[in-house]
Amino acid sequence: DGGITQSPKYLFRKEGQNVTLSCEQNLNHDAMYWYRQDPGQGLRLIYYSQIVNDFQKGDIAEGYSVSREKKESFPLTVTSAQKNPTAFYLCASTLTGTGTTEAFFGQGTRLTVV
Amino acid sequence: QKEVEQNSGPLSVPEGAIASLNCTYSDRGSQSFFWYRQYSGKSPELIMFIYSNGDKEDGRFTAQLNKASQYVSLLIRDSQPSDSATYLCAVNTGGTSYGKLTFGQGTILTVHP
Repeated sequence: DGGITQSPKYLFRKEGQNVTLSCEQNLNHDAMYWYRQDPGQGLRLIYYSQIVNDFQKGDIAEGYSVSREKKESFPLTVTSAQKNPTAFYLCASTLTGTGTTEAFFGQGTRLTVV
Repeated sequence: QKEVEQNSGPLSVPEGAIASLNCTYSDRGSQSFFWYRQYSGKSPELIMFIYSNGDKEDGRFTAQLNKASQYVSLLIRDSQPSDSATYLCAVNTGGTSYGKLTFGQGTILTVHP
């Protein structure tokens, strides 16, 4: 079955530690996205990538980094510079070049600072 | 002004009633509009998308778009307790060639028996 897989489902980070969230898709989608969701809030865009080896900052990129070495993979690193990383992180993908730009989401990673 | 704003909730309706969810957006160049449903602790799932002015119906759901007023709504007819969730309005702000979405803050809907 095609879809987006995020791992881990739950992640705990110590103060000052970098952590990496995994996102893999087998939908053959060109574009991938990382969103952050805080309780009672909508989704805010962190980073997005339209093609391999290229990505752009979203609205809240500070304290985060990404890479796009393969079409299928778009990992997100939450660095120690991100002072309030506790949130629900969602990875999504879309098929570019079409009139339908539905975003498909992974099941999310819930990150907690301990 | 927020780019995408949804009517404040939470919204509570009795089972069988019509639930009306509203969303306004600021970018007049926006081309496509989406409604997602999100159950607590889960990822969003697409309910409807709409590109053209007017109404679009799919089962119990109707999306309405008015680009002149920069307004999009979602009507849920014959509301069921299983419709209780957070509804997210999303707007494509990246043109039609890729899917960069801006989301509203969400409206919590509760359908009570």
